[in-house]
Amino acid sequence: DQQVKQNSPSLSVQEGRISILNCDYTNSMFDYFLWYKKYPAEGPTFLISISSIKDKNEDGRFTVFLNKSAKHLSLHIVPSQPGDSAVYFCAASPLSGTDKLIFGTGTRLQVFP
Amino acid sequence: ETGVTQTPRHLVMGMTNKKSLKCEQHLGHNAMYWYKQSAKKPLELMFVYSLEERVENNSVPSRFSPECPNSSHLFLHLHTLQPEDSALYLCASSQASGANVLTFGAGSRLTVL
Repeated sequence: DQQVKQNSPSLSVQEGRISILNCDYTNSMFDYFLWYKKYPAEGPTFLISISSIKDKNEDGRFTVFLNKSAKHLSLHIVPSQPGDSAVYFCAASPLSGTDKLIFGTGTRLQVFP
Repeated sequence: ETGVTQTPRHLVMGMTNKKSLKCEQHLGHNAMYWYKQSAKKPLELMFVYSLEERVENNSVPSRFSPECPNSSHLFLHLHTLQPEDSALYLCASSQASGANVLTFGAGSRLTVL
């Protein structure tokens, strides 16, 4: 049973528009959430994170929103650029520091001109 | 070299072969990880090493045997694999075990015939 779910396998967005990637989780013990981005033939790279004491974290064009009651987080990219085309993975873990990050299956974002 | 380097990038092996995947990190991190990424599945944690000691073995079959001779190097020895073991194997490192932000290598794409 997947504890972290990314229900949209792909998303296509026009350049300049907003991209919204969604992630749902089932484990209420998760306290820390991350987004990773992966280009083809490269490993995933850390993008942005949020802890459960916040509901929003912003870094440039990237903003992550956390809704704990709904067990839902989302990544907003605005404005979207062609270089943002990649697979985005959501991940979650308890803040207690276990070594286990639980990943979602990823959403492939394509930003077209 | 910088970051996390994995070799080989591609490997094809028969079910009776013995091969090894190698990972090297140049970040001064103290923890190293093996993850498996199968098609349309989440990244699955296989092994965690902290200061060269194995701290996590996520119910991985014994045909996968990890080795961590020092904090910079990690191996995954492969023996009598099955076709369903074909996947992308990703190595990662972090400053300490329990840290949530991982730095990944580009992965080793394994095909078992």
